[in-house]
Amino acid sequence: DAKTTQPTSMDCAEGRAANLPCNHSTISGNEYVYWYRQIHSQGPQYIIHGLKNNETNEMASLIITEDRKSSTLILPHATLRDTAVYYCIVRVRGGATNKLIFGTGTLLAVQP
Amino acid sequence: NAGVTQTPKFQVLKTGQSMTLQCAQDMNHNSMYWYRQDPGMGLRLIYYSASEGTTDKGEVPNGYNVSRLNKREFSLRLESAAPSQTSVYFCASSEGTGRFYGYTFGSGTRLTVV
Repeated sequence: DAKTTQPTSMDCAEGRAANLPCNHSTISGNEYVYWYRQIHSQGPQYIIHGLKNNETNEMASLIITEDRKSSTLILPHATLRDTAVYYCIVRVRGGATNKLIFGTGTLLAVQP
Repeated sequence: NAGVTQTPKFQVLKTGQSMTLQCAQDMNHNSMYWYRQDPGMGLRLIYYSASEGTTDKGEVPNGYNVSRLNKREFSLRLESAAPSQTSVYFCASSEGTGRFYGYTFGSGTRLTVV
């Protein structure tokens, strides 16, 4: 599975959009981009995933560049409850197992 | 809707003691996983079970054993606990091969080995 690079930490003002970048320059054509977040002391929570098209759900939007070497997770109106560590993961979908390998993620601090 | 249930939530062990961490899911998921998380670090995969009856090593399997008791339950055993195994342990499950819409994680077991 390809490796990802994320900033260690970011700040965002409450009510503003939070844009979390992720670089995955060695991504393969059949690897998906997944985002999870972990609020302090809790188990990680699935947010969204995509292959090459932009995706949106009730939690966030995922923008993947045309060359697929980077992506951005967008929280459109960040709240204090969105303060968490956000993990970007790339992996092949399907196959013998769906195991995910987590990096250290980005700590997003939403400021009042 | 319980999801993934882990027991116990907290545990203190003495070096050399053994214990089993329990995990059960009620979503009829095929795959289950055990991760550990040390302070300030991401999650590291210990063992996983792609389907009932199979188990495989992850990134950091040394010092652990697992049992996929049935489709619902996946336990993690520490035979002789060491201080280096002090960590938060998370169990997760997913639908398995083919379809994958995300993992569901339990709330964690906080283990301290003294």
